Amino acid sequence: KQEVTQIPAALSVPEGENLVLNCSFTDSAIYNLQWFRQDPGKGLTSLLLIQSSQREQTSGRLNASLDKSSGRSTLYIAASQPGDSATYLCAVDTSNTGKLIFGQGTTLQVKP
Amino acid sequence: GAVVSQHPSRVICKSGTSVKIECRSLDFQATTMFWYRQFPKQSLMLMATSNEGSKATYEQGVEKDKFLINHASLTLSTLTVTSAHPEDSSFYICSARDASGVHYEQYFGPGTRLTVT
Repeated sequence: KQEVTQIPAALSVPEGENLVLNCSFTDSAIYNLQWFRQDPGKGLTSLLLIQSSQREQTSGRLNASLDKSSGRSTLYIAASQPGDSATYLCAVDTSNTGKLIFGQGTTLQVKP
Repeated sequence: GAVVSQHPSRVICKSGTSVKIECRSLDFQATTMFWYRQFPKQSLMLMATSNEGSKATYEQGVEKDKFLINHASLTLSTLTVTSAHPEDSSFYICSARDASGVHYEQYFGPGTRLTVT
């Protein structure tokens, strides 16, 4: 059974720092992996989608990497800003059915 | 990006009543939609897969007679919580898969906060 784990559960950094969020999954047979952002009481915003054949994806200050063999993905946020404060979730699709298995999330606070 | 809406955004109901939540894909067709629930400070748990024109597929442990799902068109899926109880209070989020895209990216709605008193 696929399990997704995110470390750390919470993170607080001063504005301007570069930071890395970690996501690990137990079964390397995935179709894709997505990173989402969730603001309190809100739905999810898709940040980056990495196909199983890809190693990384970039969007603005965000870079996500994928190492299937080791069952790991990282989300790198450059020059963090207070507006980046949110919970970041990673999720894997193991069968291209669209069924996503989510990690518990990392709650990020960027202090001005 | 594609937009998915949910209605209502927030609902309070009395124990024993039924509540219907709508999920719409606004600018794309979604043959498949998904329903998740999220308890406070927890992650999302998939409840069921909603397929247009056919019966929904429920995850293990989810009562299909309690959580009725209807996917009558390519842009609308509904979740009805029947005979709601306080333990059904949760944040319900739907997502829709854009079948026209190459990689079937998934888009999430803003969620519905259900409180059962």
